[in-house]
Amino acid sequence: DTEVTQTPKHLVMGMTNKKSLKCEQHMGHRAMYWYKQKAKKPPELMFVYSYEKLSINESVPSRFSPECPNSSLLNLHLHALQPEDSALYLCASSPIYSGTYNEQFFGPGTRLTVL
Amino acid sequence: AQSVTQLGSHVSVSEGALVLLRCNYSSSVPPYLFWYVQYPNQGLQLLLKYTSAATLVKGINGFEAEFKKSETSFHLTKPSAHMSDAAEYFCAVSQGSSASKIIFGSGTRLSIRP
Repeated sequence: DTEVTQTPKHLVMGMTNKKSLKCEQHMGHRAMYWYKQKAKKPPELMFVYSYEKLSINESVPSRFSPECPNSSLLNLHLHALQPEDSALYLCASSPIYSGTYNEQFFGPGTRLTVL
Repeated sequence: AQSVTQLGSHVSVSEGALVLLRCNYSSSVPPYLFWYVQYPNQGLQLLLKYTSAATLVKGINGFEAEFKKSETSFHLTKPSAHMSDAAEYFCAVSQGSSASKIIFGSGTRLSIRP
């Protein structure tokens, strides 16, 4: 299995809602990532988990809360989001998070709309 | 800090014509370079990667890229464009000692004319 899956595919939420995005991989990868991508822009790194521990937080607002329950799962909990948070949220994984280079495998993304 | 610059936000070619997407990198150490493709409403897919083993790198879907240190370039080419190649293409570089952090270029949208 060489896939990274993400659910839901689309999500519409109000500014007072709480929702979660889910990412799953079964490639045995020990590094997982969340990216945010606005239209016609490259992905921006948000968080990196390595061996289920948070390694990088790119100064992301606290209304985004990541969680890595096990080596296969990555969640992104959303609360009190703003309309400008509307974007495509991409999950990725890679074999490890250190070394000479690291090929990342991306999921299809969750299209989030905040009303 | 390492970075990549993609020249041309939009490239349009005729079906069957040569595809050339330009990428220049900035790095004080040997870089690790990638080309990713993103089809509409999808995630990113790795086309090819340079890791210093060979300067000419062959990827999927008939794409290849050549690492030229003297020009600090890693341009992506395909001899004959197909309609299915229409997508957004991102050049990327891995960053320094934290090699797993990938820095993406701004992207080039490739359109194919029938």
